[in-house]
Formats: sequence, structure tokens, C-alpha cells
Amino acid sequence: GAGVSQSPSNKVTEKGKDVELRCDPISGHTALYWYRQSLGQGLEFLIYFQGNSAPDKSGLPSDRFSAERTGGSVSTLTIQRTQQEDSAVYLCASSSHRGFVRYNYGYTFGSGTRLTVV
Amino acid sequence: AQKVTQAQTEISVVEKEDVTLDCVYETRDTTYYLFWYKQPPSGELVFLIRRNSFDEQNEISGRYSWNFQKSTSSFNFTITASQVVDSAVYFCALGDTGTASKLTFGTGTRLQVTL
Repeated sequence: GAGVSQSPSNKVTEKGKDVELRCDPISGHTALYWYRQSLGQGLEFLIYFQGNSAPDKSGLPSDRFSAERTGGSVSTLTIQRTQQEDSAVYLCASSSHRGFVRYNYGYTFGSGTRLTVV
Repeated sequence: AQKVTQAQTEISVVEKEDVTLDCVYETRDTTYYLFWYKQPPSGELVFLIRRNSFDEQNEISGRYSWNFQKSTSSFNFTITASQVVDSAVYFCALGDTGTASKLTFGTGTRLQVTL
């Protein structure tokens, strides 16, 4: 597609439920990132995919968080047994290479999924 | 560890005023990258600029200009003759050259431009 697409745009869930957030990157982009933006905070890195593998998942806050990517395209971020502190905007970004190192640009971000845990 | 500080939480200006958004960073890397992103109310992050650590030349793009000073670890962003459409949250970010090339973001500065 023309941009990075994320769904749903908004999600309200009850504490303890599992949720799945989807990211559809720009076609052909091999690198994919998940970031989390909590209220009043900057964005924090969660996980990085290169193709279908995740060489850096150091930002996942707990083992309740997991992510996968299939076909080198769509990625799903899953949060199990959601807690209120998981409430945030989850942003996905993609790039045609390993981030920005070689090229004078930054990633392309989606509009995010606003997750509210009640 | 990487750190980015945007001390200004919120700034309000009247249209046509100039405004500078401050960004101070910390890193032990000798090669690194600095970014500014704009987040309008729609929520999508819009890339504005990238600056490499080995290039201290300042840059101007229309009404936007950036002042990179390694001596003070700062990468400030100035909007000249601000407009209502400039209202957004602006994030400064620091990129590493590790495996993920991930970004460390500041907490953002909310800019409100009024008529």
C-alpha cells in the first residue's frame, strides 16, 4: 500500500483479555518496527523485524508481549492478559532497509492503534 | 545509554511568530543520527529531517531550520513565521547504528499556534 496501515485504530479491552494489533507495512519494506507511546511519554522501542525474523526484541516489556511477522509483510503484536498499564498508542513503522543507516531518511510510521484497557 | 531530552513540554505562540524547539541528547557513540518528527492530531509521525553526527552543517527547508551543535549535544529546531498548521507534537529522536537502528525519542514538545 501507499503507507503503513494499522488496525484497529482504536481498541478498548477488559483487563485480563488478550489483544492482537496488526501492522501492514509498505509493500517491499523488509524492516518493521513496533513502538509504544504512553501518555506523556516519548515513543519507546518494542521490537524490530528484518524479514520474518526478530533480531532485536529487547524492548518488549514482559513475556505477555509477543510479535510475529509472516511472509515478510504483515506483523501482529499480541498482548496477553492485558493490564491497565498497557494502555498506550502502539505505532508500527517500516523501512526498505535496516532503518536509516545508509539512506538519508527515517522510517515511515503508521497512525497507530490506541489501546485502552479498562 | 542513549537519552533525548526535550525540556519544553508545551509552547504556545501566535501565528507569524518564530519558535525554537530544544533538543539535547546523550550518547557514547561516535557515529549517530538525529531526527525530528512531527505528530499532527491524526497521530501519524511525519519525518522532517535526519542529521548525521559527522555533518554539523545546519539546514534550512522553507520555514524550518535546524541547528546541530555537537559541542553542546543539541539539535534545535526553529520554525520561522509559524502557522496554525504547524500545531502538532514534535519529537526529537536519536538513532544508533546497532542491529536494529532503533530510535530513542524525547518526550515531545506540543506546539500550539493560534491566530
